[in-house]
Amino acid sequence: ILNVEQSPQSLHVQEGDSTNFTCSFPSSNFYALHWYRWETAKSPEALFVMTLNGDEKKKGRISATLNTKEGYSYLYIKGSQPEDSATYLCASNSNSGYALNFGKGTSLLVTP
Amino acid sequence: DAGVIQSPRHEVTEMGQEVTLRCKPISGHDYLFWYRQTMMRGLELLIYFNNNVPIDDSGMPEDRFSAKMPNASFSTLKIQPSEPRDSAVYFCASSLMSDTQYFGPGTRLTVL
Repeated sequence: ILNVEQSPQSLHVQEGDSTNFTCSFPSSNFYALHWYRWETAKSPEALFVMTLNGDEKKKGRISATLNTKEGYSYLYIKGSQPEDSATYLCASNSNSGYALNFGKGTSLLVTP
Repeated sequence: DAGVIQSPRHEVTEMGQEVTLRCKPISGHDYLFWYRQTMMRGLELLIYFNNNVPIDDSGMPEDRFSAKMPNASFSTLKIQPSEPRDSAVYFCASSLMSDTQYFGPGTRLTVL
């Protein structure tokens, strides 16, 4: 995998549903994986940074896991709420530099 | 801290005009990044600086684009001459080493 890829591209769930998205990234020369939350008309807001294989991070109802050997990360949202509606971006950087390579994001819509 | 500050927030200009976007990073951050967001290509890195020195400008589209960072608290991205295809949202972000990148509110550029 040369680029960061995210799936699904978009997701529509009902309030209270739990959901998850996938981020695939180049596993060679991996340094860190970042998750951002991006609401419409705002700037991306950092959720997590993970560096070690097996890392798990949690922030309220949102959690993420990291598998650096196979090059994927999952983002989970438990009991989705309408305010969770946003685009969720993941990005990776390699140990050759600090530039982030972003995926195109998963657009989540949570309806009441 | 006020976070990353960008100006202007919106810019409308005519084709052929020079456009200058400005960014003030978070105080103490040693990395500054310029990104462009379009529907087609998502969020792409244009250039980044470390301690005011450009490190990687491979994402700069062409010679019409230039960026400077004369000191630790200020950077500019200039487009001369501007073209309609440059219309996008331009984000500036800053970070401390390889830590989380903090994004500014963005500048929405429209070139007529």
